Amino acid sequence: EVQLLESGGGLVQPGGSLRLSCAASGFTFSSYAMSWVRQAPGKGLEWVSAIIGSGGTTYYADSVKGQFTISRDNSKNTLYLQMNSLRAEDTAVYYCAKVGGWTPNAPFDYWGQGTLVTVSS
Amino acid sequence: EIVLTQSPGTLSLSPGERATLSCRASQSISSSYLAWYQQKPGQAPRLLIYGASSRATGIPDRFSGSGSGTDFILTISRLEPEDFAVYYCQQYGSSPRTFGQGTKVEIK
Repeated sequence: EVQLLESGGGLVQPGGSLRLSCAASGFTFSSYAMSWVRQAPGKGLEWVSAIIGSGGTTYYADSVKGQFTISRDNSKNTLYLQMNSLRAEDTAVYYCAKVGGWTPNAPFDYWGQGTLVTVSS
Repeated sequence: EIVLTQSPGTLSLSPGERATLSCRASQSISSSYLAWYQQKPGQAPRLLIYGASSRATGIPDRFSGSGSGTDFILTISRLEPEDFAVYYCQQYGSSPRTFGQGTKVEIK
């Protein structure tokens, strides 16, 4: 059974940093691209970032480029999102999502339950 | 960036009725790389349809997808009580990946 468990969310002041983690199990982690998707309170879904199975190529939404860094540790079956210079508009539930293929050209076939990031003073 | 526009914003229907949800893209989506997701309150999204018309694992056959190019449809043939939720379309053929704004299917 595929499981994705996010952690690392919480309350952070504007300008602060957080690192989200997503522990994966139930599939061969290194064989699949992974992604982060966020959802601001009461709003729709926004794709944030993706990384291919090997970790060698990454992709970012313009809204977070240069601010967030996606990475993965295939030896630990874990996906990360380093978030710096956080702003109020980054407040959202952040979902880890498994891509249905080695590259990002596939749908998100499994999702974690999400971790809430709140940016506020 | 491919913009996806979903209509209607809200669909008010009764159990047993047919639901037809639309997703229109600002440019053609390559290889029908379009997916539909269902999201219930407090839950993560769930993949329903990929490749415009293929049902994901475990999805009942009352859900069907169709379309190509710029116009796509999600049809729920007979609404069950558990189908009342928000539905999003998403394209995964070009970067950045984009989602539609969602269609809420509510009980009439």
